[in-house]
Amino acid sequence: DIQLTQSPSFLSASVGDRVTITCRASQGISSYLAWYQQKPGKAPKLLIYAASTLQSGVPSRFSGSGSGTEFTLTISSLQPEDFATYYCQQLNSYLPLTFGGGTKVEIK
Amino acid sequence: EVQLVQSGAEVKKPGESLKISCKGSGYSFTSYWIGWVRQMPGKGLEWMGIIYPGDSDTRYSPSFQGQVTISADKSISTAYLQWSSLKASDTAMYYCARHDSGAFDIWGQGTMVTVSS
Repeated sequence: DIQLTQSPSFLSASVGDRVTITCRASQGISSYLAWYQQKPGKAPKLLIYAASTLQSGVPSRFSGSGSGTEFTLTISSLQPEDFATYYCQQLNSYLPLTFGGGTKVEIK
Repeated sequence: EVQLVQSGAEVKKPGESLKISCKGSGYSFTSYWIGWVRQMPGKGLEWMGIIYPGDSDTRYSPSFQGQVTISADKSISTAYLQWSSLKASDTAMYYCARHDSGAFDIWGQGTMVTVSS
């Protein structure tokens, strides 16, 4: 199985801050990585796919980068509605399509 | 509107069987894989498996192989997740999601399954 390690698992930030979340894969996955946002009591929402492609309708303050084994999700200027948990997911191999452990972004 | 609508919350006893559903609309249901994702209370997301409704090709995560069955009825644009004998540890929220362009782009609202004696 391909393991995904997200860091940090928790971060406290203020509105307007630049926030970066890292996802490391246990083996190379090319650019087959997606990022999701999940708010309490809601289904996850796709933000980024193919490592750096912004999903339609997602604000441009979200961006993704990386390939191979190291990836980042950046929020350029944190907004109140961005406080949520973020997950990465690898889609390079079906066995299985693993998720990272999640990063909870809370208000400082 | 493209959407996936899941069946309602379930409360079951250990040992009982259960089948939950996920109905797609607004797109060609047979042309996209549908995956299932488990989220235990207060925990992260776990990918369970995926099915291609066009031909019912199904893949399971090793962690869930033999524990659940994924199926689909393309005539009614519906995918299913079923258990033959529930355990308390199956208590979780279950999501279905459409796989497109290398990600799960459309998600159902989730089905909460509670297993308790």
